[in-house]
Amino acid sequence: EPEVTQTPSHQVTQMGQEVILRCVPISNHLYFYWYRQILGQKVEFLVSFYNNEISEKSEIFDDQFSVERPDGSNFTLKIRSTKLEDSAMYFCASSELRVHEQYFGPGTRLTVT
Amino acid sequence: DQQVKQNSPSLSVQEGRISILNCDYTNSMFDYFLWYKKYPAEGPTFLISISSIKDKNEDGRFTVFLNKSAKHLSLHIVPSQPGDSAVYFCAASASGTYKYIFGTGTRLKVLA
Repeated sequence: EPEVTQTPSHQVTQMGQEVILRCVPISNHLYFYWYRQILGQKVEFLVSFYNNEISEKSEIFDDQFSVERPDGSNFTLKIRSTKLEDSAMYFCASSELRVHEQYFGPGTRLTVT
Repeated sequence: DQQVKQNSPSLSVQEGRISILNCDYTNSMFDYFLWYKKYPAEGPTFLISISSIKDKNEDGRFTVFLNKSAKHLSLHIVPSQPGDSAVYFCAASASGTYKYIFGTGTRLKVLA
């Protein structure tokens, strides 16, 4: 069964450093998303991406964040200058249609020290 | 901003019995709803969906009911199995948007 994959599973970085989280969505899906879950809190939407551009973003997704689909398979989330409060699980998701089930990857645990 | 609420943080059910997980929402623009199951250190796993044009959707042991007037949905699992023990999230999306708003989750424990 096709699945969303994410790398790395755990990333530790120092405050102020740049990180890139990587995702390979399900191959025939057209819509891609990033969510995050701070420990003990809700899963929160960050951004959606369709047709090589951001289609929607939350207020969390400020200028420190960017997304890219550098080739036909990868989808990345970059945080330019990490802060302590960026520590969270980051989940990538993809869906076939806009109003449709979103399938999540296993997540990347980001720890900012 | 609690647009999607799961008021029961935890639920324990005996194996073989029915599990009922509840979810309330406040935004009348929500028109598509999902239920996810999540194990520790894993991503949410999609279980079942329902559109606002329906009031029930069934898939095997899982049934989702939607009461639009009450802005309430519920997930029924019958019969419950120990492997169903996980955190369950409901999520809602509004027409014209790409995002899902998640509830806080209910931890289900199925006792053998």
